[in-house]
Amino acid sequence: AQSVTQPDIHITVSEGASLELRCNYSYGATPYLFWYVQSPGQGLQLLLKYFSGDTLVQGIKGFEAEFKRSQSSFNLRKPSVHWSDAAEYFCAVGAMDNTDKLIFGTGTRLQVFP
Amino acid sequence: EADIYQTPRYLVIGTGKKITLECSQTMGHDKMYWYQQDPGMELHLIHYSYGVNSTEKGDLSSESTVSRIRTEHFPLTLESARPSHTSQYLCASSGRTGGSQPQHFGDGTRLSIL
Repeated sequence: AQSVTQPDIHITVSEGASLELRCNYSYGATPYLFWYVQSPGQGLQLLLKYFSGDTLVQGIKGFEAEFKRSQSSFNLRKPSVHWSDAAEYFCAVGAMDNTDKLIFGTGTRLQVFP
Repeated sequence: EADIYQTPRYLVIGTGKKITLECSQTMGHDKMYWYQQDPGMELHLIHYSYGVNSTEKGDLSSESTVSRIRTEHFPLTLESARPSHTSQYLCASSGRTGGSQPQHFGDGTRLSIL
């Protein structure tokens, strides 16, 4: 069965520092992978997605993620974090059953200090 | 920009009441979803729909029911609310092609049952 693991429950960084949020998935074939961000009291906003092709994908708000098949990972990165990036980040893998269902990780809460 | 709307945003109501959470999307998406999310936790799929007159149970058992009479509308109903139903409910939709389309989320309904 497909699964997604986000090992870091909570990460704290200083504004301006670089960021990497980890995501590991379990799936036999090439998966469809997504990163979403959720601000307090809001729904989820799509940051970026990977379907195939170039393993480094660019997203909105200056985020990027790299698909590494050998490590079953899809880590999210940002070179310089802004205070407004404080939020909950969810990695998800798409179910390969024609339903567009997503399997979500448990999320990583990002806190940014000035 | 995704257009998916949920009402109400917040609802505090007593035990035993019948509740309907509304979800509408203007993108013509075939697939729609309901998720339940407790504070600081991951999302759990409780219902989904492939299209009009199609409804399926999700991965997490729920006492709620859904209907899909129109493409754009996917309401969720609780016949008799209980405190255990207190949670955030997120609605989402995705396009026609299976397995590769990201889901677009509404801002959620935060439900509190007294």
